Amino acid sequence: RKEVEQDPGPFNVPEGATVAFNCTYSNSASQSFFWYRQDCRKEPKLLMSVYSSGNEDGRFTAQLNRASQYISLLIRDSKLSDSATYLCVVFNQAGTALIFGKGTTLSVSS
Amino acid sequence: NAGVMQNPRHLVRRRGQEARLRCSPMKGHSHVYWYRQLPEEGLKFMVYLQKENIIDESGMPKERFSAEFPKEGPSILRIQQVVRGDSAAYFCASSPQPWSQDEAFFGQGTRLTVV
Repeated sequence: RKEVEQDPGPFNVPEGATVAFNCTYSNSASQSFFWYRQDCRKEPKLLMSVYSSGNEDGRFTAQLNRASQYISLLIRDSKLSDSATYLCVVFNQAGTALIFGKGTTLSVSS
Repeated sequence: NAGVMQNPRHLVRRRGQEARLRCSPMKGHSHVYWYRQLPEEGLKFMVYLQKENIIDESGMPKERFSAEFPKEGPSILRIQQVVRGDSAAYFCASSPQPWSQDEAFFGQGTRLTVV
């Protein structure tokens, strides 16, 4: 099983749509989880951390299910500027580095 | 406060040459992480360094690749005798503490093309 697995995508949605991305991780001891955003050929940037209780930042909501080792990201009212690749990220077992999923590509059209 | 600076941004090498990629962390950051992103792939962890120390190199290929972070100057990722499969984007990130997530940032990357 891969350390971090994501929906293959791509997701093509109209502006205003709600879209959800899913991710599973293999290391049950992982303590820290994140969603990053990567625009085409640019560096990844932290979108938000994921907390056990779930957390929200504007139109973005992240959820964590430790029992199922499952992380999700919900984007409401999609904007054209949300078009990017979304990366699910967890800490490695040693706690020394981030492990990235391959990413899910989102394309929002008008 | 400049961000994480990587240079060169683009590097072309012929097979068999050496590639040197530089990463200057943000001011006050003493932890550096190198990642590689192959075309159409996710970012893969390579190595984690502090000043003058390699902390975790579990992601480094066993041969031809080395990294350092000297007391003075940038961190260097060195690839000897490059092959076509080394063509990728190499990103580094820095943080003031061991992966302090709120304060960790990536550089813009170096795109290595081996011809």
